[in-house]
Amino acid sequence: GDSVTQMEGPVTLSEEAFLTINCTYTATGYPSLFWYVQYPGEGLQLLLKATKADDKGSNKGFEATYRKETTSFHLEKGSVQVSDSAVYFCALYSGAGSYQLTFGKGTKLSVIP
Amino acid sequence: GAVVSQHPSRVICKSGTSVKIECRSLDFQATTMFWYRQFPKQSLMLMATSNEGSKATYEQGVEKDKFLINHASLTLSTLTVTSAHPEDSSFYICSATDPTSGGDEQFFGPGTRLTVL
Repeated sequence: GDSVTQMEGPVTLSEEAFLTINCTYTATGYPSLFWYVQYPGEGLQLLLKATKADDKGSNKGFEATYRKETTSFHLEKGSVQVSDSAVYFCALYSGAGSYQLTFGKGTKLSVIP
Repeated sequence: GAVVSQHPSRVICKSGTSVKIECRSLDFQATTMFWYRQFPKQSLMLMATSNEGSKATYEQGVEKDKFLINHASLTLSTLTVTSAHPEDSSFYICSATDPTSGGDEQFFGPGTRLTVL
């Protein structure tokens, strides 16, 4: 079945540091890939997505590239801010009829001034 | 953009009582809604998939008689936690898909914090 593996946290970075959160997936066919962000006490918000190989999703300075050859969708940001402190979820949608997303376990990021 | 609301945002109840949580799609019709439970170490557990006008599909291990789901209209799904116990305390999140946007993206509500005393 489909699965998503993302790096375990928590991750603590200083402000302006470079961020990478690794995400790899297993899926049949050609899934759509997503990064969702959850700020403290809130629901999930879509951060970015990519629907086919080599697509790059980007938003708010975050980027992730759909790499079919390595089945990866790593999240990156060049310079993090304190306001980026949140939990980040990698997810995939395989299009297998039920509209279900398969989520990774989430990575908690804390950015300190 | 697509907005999903949940009500209430927080609820505290006594053990043995029932609690209803509403999930609404505000500006689109959602043929499919999902209910998740989030545990303290952040992992999301899909509880059930709710399709308008039909019975919900529950994930393995989720008691359908305890977690009653009703999706009576294209903009409203409800989750009722019956005879709640302290172990049901959790953060419950709903999401909805908009078929007009391809159906691959889920729009999430802000969550409901349930505390059972």
